[in-house]
Amino acid sequence: DTEVTQTPKHLVMGMTNKKSLKCEQHMGHRAMYWYKQKAKKPPELMFVYSYEKLSINESVPSRFSPECPNSSLLNLHLHALQPEDSALYLCASSQDTGGRGYTFGSGTRLTVV
Amino acid sequence: GEDVEQSLFLSVREGDSSVINCTYTDSSSTYLYWYKQEPGAGLQLLTYIFSNMDMKQDQRLTVLLNKKDKHLSLRIADTQTGDSAIYFCADDTNAGKSTFGDGTTLTVKP
Repeated sequence: DTEVTQTPKHLVMGMTNKKSLKCEQHMGHRAMYWYKQKAKKPPELMFVYSYEKLSINESVPSRFSPECPNSSLLNLHLHALQPEDSALYLCASSQDTGGRGYTFGSGTRLTVV
Repeated sequence: GEDVEQSLFLSVREGDSSVINCTYTDSSSTYLYWYKQEPGAGLQLLTYIFSNMDMKQDQRLTVLLNKKDKHLSLRIADTQTGDSAIYFCADDTNAGKSTFGDGTTLTVKP
């Protein structure tokens, strides 16, 4: 298995809703990442988990809450989002944080209404 | 801070070679990467080069690295319409934090 699987593929949520994005990999990678990507822009790093511990939080608002229940799973809990949070949310993994590139999932297209 | 820059657009004819260029500012980059993103999809790692290498070839892809000038290029030989996508250059100067360029949109015309 050489994939990162993200669910759901599309999500529409109201500003008062609570939802979660899920990410799963079975490559034995020990680093996992959440990125946010706006249209025609590069991905922006949000969070990094290394060996199931949060190692980097790029000053992301608290309405985004990451969780790493085990080495294969990564969640992003969403609460009280704003319309400007609408974007493609990408999960990625790598063997560790030491290089050789990331494997990205296909993303969750989030629309906040 | 770190910066990675790319030209935004490139248009080529099918069968021609494409060359996408990238410059970066941080000389401590250990690896440099090329990713491809097709519409509606995530990023796909195409290739990477270790900072002590000058060139890496992988089938139709050739990566050239000029560390002195902090310049990276990706050459795609015999470009096909399926190569139309956005190509991102990235580095990894801080463990776990890659800096991405703005992406080059490659359009391949039949």
